[in-house]
Amino acid sequence: EAGVAQSPRYKIIEKRQSVAFWCNPISGHATLYWYQQILGQGPKLLIQFQNNGVVDDSQLPKDRFSAERLKGVDSTLKIQPAKLEDSAVYLCASSWAGGSYGYTFGSGTRLTVV
Amino acid sequence: GESVGLHLPTLSVQEGDNSIINCAYSNSASDYFIWYKQESGKGPQFIIDIRSNMDKRQGQRVTVLLNKTVKHLSLQIAATQPGDSAVYFCAGANTGNQFYFGTGTSLTVIP
Repeated sequence: EAGVAQSPRYKIIEKRQSVAFWCNPISGHATLYWYQQILGQGPKLLIQFQNNGVVDDSQLPKDRFSAERLKGVDSTLKIQPAKLEDSAVYLCASSWAGGSYGYTFGSGTRLTVV
Repeated sequence: GESVGLHLPTLSVQEGDNSIINCAYSNSASDYFIWYKQESGKGPQFIIDIRSNMDKRQGQRVTVLLNKTVKHLSLQIAATQPGDSAVYFCAGANTGNQFYFGTGTSLTVIP
């Protein structure tokens, strides 16, 4: 089966600019997650979707981050405006059973804010 | 909140030796754990999982041990190979089936 697709692979922006990341999960996976992985750390959950609804966004910095999954398939994560501390890899993961058998991760988007 | 932590940030082993990577968790309610392997430039890749009703699970060259009494799990890699060089994360699931990751152990295999 095709894996979780993410684009772009790399992005460099200046602080205060906006940026968007795209994720296409594995076909049939109802649950989609966005994680932020800062260099040298483990992934940190930002938001969880079940189909097109948000299950948990308690760790999403909503003053600057937003995410949507309008048709219950692919998803976008946006940062506006970006800060230097947003430099990280943004990982998308999906699961068919709400995570009860683990996730499949994409390769991530590496964001550098300068 | 939930947290998992690995005991050593780095580990170096000789090719052919066995590797042991340790992890501690804080949430007694966590009932499902996964070990992930992350190579440079890639997302985490599932290695092996274990549920809280088990204390040991074996895969191909890998074994996970779970000690619920002290809230500790370990990943054992037999006959470590250069391709095993990566960062290894343990992740525990909360009741919402969300996974919380530790900081990772970077394994280097010396040829």
